[in-house]
Amino acid sequence: DIQMTQSPSSLSGSVGDRVTITCRASQTINSYLNWYQQKPGKAPRLLIYAASTLQSGVPSRFIGSGSGTDFTLTISCLQPEDFATYFCQQSYGSPYTFGQGTNLEI
Amino acid sequence: QVQLQESGPGLVKPSETLYLTCTVSGGSISTYYWSWIRQPPGKGLEWIGYIYYSGSTNYNPSLESRVTISVDTSKRQFSLKLNSVTAADTAVYYCARVQNSGTYYFHDYWGQGALVTVSS
Repeated sequence: DIQMTQSPSSLSGSVGDRVTITCRASQTINSYLNWYQQKPGKAPRLLIYAASTLQSGVPSRFIGSGSGTDFTLTISCLQPEDFATYFCQQSYGSPYTFGQGTNLEI
Repeated sequence: QVQLQESGPGLVKPSETLYLTCTVSGGSISTYYWSWIRQPPGKGLEWIGYIYYSGSTNYNPSLESRVTISVDTSKRQFSLKLNSVTAADTAVYYCARVQNSGTYYFHDYWGQGALVTVSS
């Protein structure tokens, strides 16, 4: 299985901050990397697919980058509604594994 | 707007079988793959497997010996069966649509989730 490791596991920020979350794959996955946001008690929401393509309806302050084994999700200007847990997921090969999550809190 | 809704028992006894169904509305079940994903309380996400509308499947090897996913296109439903459950199978179970853009696959629509507790 391809292991996905996110860092940090938790992160504090303030409204207006720029924050970055990192996801590392245990082997190359090209650009087969998705990012999801999850709020407590809710289903995950797709933010970015193919490492850097913004899903329709997602604000442009969410920026994905990277390829190969190292990827980042940057939120350029934190908004109150961005405080949530973020997961990366690889779609390069089955089983389609997720990172352990990064909890972004105030 | 595509909507997915999980349904099934919220409590299953150890060693018994977990059954969940996902009903798709607002869109076609055809031409898509459909996944089951679970999340133990306070933990991360685990992909269980997917099914194509035609019936072909792909399962996570860690669960493959106990899992069956099936589809009923006439009812716009797909289902999860997990045998011989233990407390470790306690989780919120999500159904989700698999979308693709070229060779890139991602889950774009999710159900709200169904908590299944394994306990006697």
